[in-house]
This record gives sequence, C-alpha cells and structure tokens, in this order.
Amino acid sequence: AQRVTQPEKLLSVFKGAPVELKCNYSYSGSPELFWYVQYSRQRLQLLLRHISRESIKGFTADLNKGETSFHLKKPFAQEEDSAMYYCALGVQGAQKLVFGQGTRLTINP
Amino acid sequence: EAGVAQSPRYKIIEKRQSVAFWCNPISGHATLYWYQQILGQGPKLLIQFQNNGVVDDSQLPKDRFSAERLKGVDSTLKIQPAKLEDSAVYLCASSLGLQGRTGELFFGEGSRLTVL
Repeated sequence: AQRVTQPEKLLSVFKGAPVELKCNYSYSGSPELFWYVQYSRQRLQLLLRHISRESIKGFTADLNKGETSFHLKKPFAQEEDSAMYYCALGVQGAQKLVFGQGTRLTINP
Repeated sequence: EAGVAQSPRYKIIEKRQSVAFWCNPISGHATLYWYQQILGQGPKLLIQFQNNGVVDDSQLPKDRFSAERLKGVDSTLKIQPAKLEDSAVYLCASSLGLQGRTGELFFGEGSRLTVL
C-alpha cells in the first residue's frame, strides 16, 4: 500500500531562518513525489515535483530513495511562505495522488 | 484559463439528509477526481474518472456515496443518507490525464459540508 507521512503537523520558524518540512513515503513502485501548497483563502496548488529538479519560490526538494524521503527545504524563510504544505505520492500508471496529512508552516516576523 | 469550479461552497445538513456537490473541471481535462478532506487530515481520494468512466472508486463508501460524470465533463458527488463523520471539505480536481507520469492536479476551492 502507498503511504505518505509528514511527521510535523505544525512548524513555526522566524523570518530569515532555514525551513525544512519532512516527508517520508512507503511505496513498492517507482515513486513520483510532489509538494502541494495551500495559502490562506486560496485553493490547493502544485509547488514542485521531484522530476523537475527546480527551485520554486526558493524551495527545493530532493528525492532520497534510500531513506524514502522527499523533504522540502528553503534556506531563508519569508513571511509569505506561511501556508499549509502537503507532500503527495504519485501512484505509478494510475494518474492519482496519495497525500500526507499536511504541515502548517508559520513564519514569524 | 478558468479553473475548476465547484458548488455549493458551503452546505449544512442534518444527519440522514442528502446532499449533492457539483464540479466543472478545466476544459480539456480528461481526468477528474473527488477527494474528501476531513479537518486536520490530508485529502483522501474518493473516486477518479477518466473521461466518463470510473478508474478508481476503491475508497468510496458505496452504500451512501455515489458519483457520476456525464458526457465526460461535469461531475456530481452525492451523499445519501449523510452521517456525522461525512463532515469534511469535498475537493474536486482535474488533470490532463496523459499517459505516463502523474500530471499536475488542478483543484477547485472545495465544498465544505457540515452534518449536524
């Protein structure tokens, strides 16, 4: 069975500090990992995906198959990063996503 | 480009009543999803359509939930009779549905259901 675990429900850091949101997955197939974000009063939207290997809004995430992790990182947090972040696993060939429970990130001024 | 449209945004009903949610996906998107998001949890897939056919409804409580996607465009999700534990946000999403890697899912604003 596919499973995504985000161990932190809440994460609070100060502006300018580094941020790391943890994500671990369990999946027997070839994983596709994503981070989705929901800002206040906005709809859930894609932030980044592991195959793109790009930085979006200063965030990066590296897929570590050995540790089955896909942690989201940003070196210097900004207040506008405050949001709900969801890690998601794409099920191979099924075109569907399995979501973690989410981490609420709060950036303090 | 218009996004995924959902209605109603909010609905309050009593247990054992029925409710229906409507979704209009992005034009041209073949795959449509209904997710249930209970407070404090991540979205859970209820049903997935590819055009007007069901691809996955393994987590849909079929004794009370039903969904259809007529003509492969709009979709409705119905709950009858509702239970207290059905209180949640019902998210509709769509994607191009191309073969191969999982494409980006575009979400609607959600329909918040409260069952009293």
